[in-house]
Amino acid sequence: GAGVSQSPSNKVTEKGKDVELRCDPISGHTALYWYRQSLGQGLEFLIYFQGNSAPDKSGLPSDRFSAERTGGSVSTLTIQRTQQEDSAVYLCASSRDYYSTQPQHFGDGTRLSIL
Amino acid sequence: QKEVEQDPGPLSVPEGAIVSLNCTYSNSAFQYFMWYRQYSRKGPELLMYTYSSGNKEDGRFTAQVDKSSKYISLFIRDSQPSDSATYLCAMELRRCFGNEKLTFGTGTRLTIIP
Repeated sequence: GAGVSQSPSNKVTEKGKDVELRCDPISGHTALYWYRQSLGQGLEFLIYFQGNSAPDKSGLPSDRFSAERTGGSVSTLTIQRTQQEDSAVYLCASSRDYYSTQPQHFGDGTRLSIL
Repeated sequence: QKEVEQDPGPLSVPEGAIVSLNCTYSNSAFQYFMWYRQYSRKGPELLMYTYSSGNKEDGRFTAQVDKSSKYISLFIRDSQPSDSATYLCAMELRRCFGNEKLTFGTGTRLTIIP
């Protein structure tokens, strides 16, 4: 597609349930990033993929959060045993190439609400 | 203290005015500086992307970086109601191998009054 695609656009779930968020980057982009945007907090980095490997997972807030990327394309972010503080907009971004200077382009995010 | 500080606003200006948005930062290793525009319920959209100190102009938008003061600005000339959005500054460290994560300001909410 033309841009970064994320699904679902909205997700409401009960506390304690697991959720899976999907990101489809711009075709040909090898770098993929997950960020979280909370009210009043700005965007916080979660994890970064180059190809299928994750050189930087430093932003994942707890071991309930995990992410994977397969085939160098689609990525999924999984949150286990969700808590109310996990409510936020989860944004995915991609950039063209690992070795060149390229900016990150964002999808519209998944708005996650934990009841 | 946050690495990147940005006045959250809100900022309201009349149509046609010049808008000035600013961020300060504390990490001198930041080398790449960006401004993103975010409309309600949408993802951030890249407006300006600059490397190191100096000015960069694109249409009505001018990005300015002053590394000695650790201060960046975005100027919007002839502001339009369609410019009403949240503006996010973002910064990236010097790259050793390629891409790096972005560190964002909290965003400034801007409203242009017709």
